[in-house]
Amino acid sequence: EVQLVESGGGLVKPGGSLRLSCTASGFTFSNAWLTWVRQAPGKGLEWVGRIKSKTSRGTTDYAAPVKGRFTISRDDSTNTVSLQMNSLNTEDTALYYCTMGFCDSSRCRWDDAFDKWGQGTMVTVSS
Amino acid sequence: QSALTQPASVSGSPGQSVTISCTGTGSDIGGYNYVSWYQQYSGKAPKLMIYDVSSRPSGVSNRFSGSKSGNTASLTISGLQAEDEADYYCGSYTRGSTLVVFGGGTKLTVL
Repeated sequence: EVQLVESGGGLVKPGGSLRLSCTASGFTFSNAWLTWVRQAPGKGLEWVGRIKSKTSRGTTDYAAPVKGRFTISRDDSTNTVSLQMNSLNTEDTALYYCTMGFCDSSRCRWDDAFDKWGQGTMVTVSS
Repeated sequence: QSALTQPASVSGSPGQSVTISCTGTGSDIGGYNYVSWYQQYSGKAPKLMIYDVSSRPSGVSNRFSGSKSGNTASLTISGLQAEDEADYYCGSYTRGSTLVVFGGGTKLTVL
C-alpha cells in the first residue's frame, strides 16, 4: 500500500523557517517525482513545487509565490522528500500536502494527475 | 484569486445530474489535455476523480465524467447521491514555472 506521511508542521513567526518532511512507502521511491501542494484555511489547492527523480536530474520547479524562499530536496536512501521554507509570511499559512502522480502503459502523469496524497501537515505563520 | 475559475457552489437533488465548470486560458486548459478533477471531503485529503480530461482512475464510479471545450473543462456527476456532497477542484498543467494550476473549488450540495 502506498503511503505518504508528512511531518514537521507547526507555528512559526513571520520571517522564520521551517522544514517539512514526507516519508514514503509502498512503491519505488527513487523513480517517483514528488510534489507539494498547500491549502490555506478555507481556501483552494495551490501547487507549491515538485522534484523529479534522480534519473531525471532531480530537477525542481516552484510556484512563483515561493520561488527563492522554498527548496525541495530528496533522500532516496530514506524515502524522504523535504520542503525547506525560509522567509515565511502569513500568506504561507496552510495545510501542506505531499502528493504524487502515477504511470500507466500510456505515460507518466507526474505533473498533472495526483492520485496519492498524504494527510497533510499544518503550517501556521503568526506573530 | 485562483488561476482557474469555478462556481463557488452547485446543488442538485438525489438522482439528478450536475455539471461543474472550470474556466482557464489557452496556456492551461486550452493548451493541454491534462485536466484533472479532485473530490475533497471536509478535513480529508483530495481524491483524484478524473485525469486526462475524461479518464477515471480505477475504483471511481462511472457516474463521474469529464469533458473539455476550448478553455473550459467540465465535471458531470450523474445519479447524484448523498455521498457526493463534497468540494470539487479542477486542475490543469500549464506553461511556465508554475506547472499546475487549480480552481478555487466548488461546493456540491445534495439537497
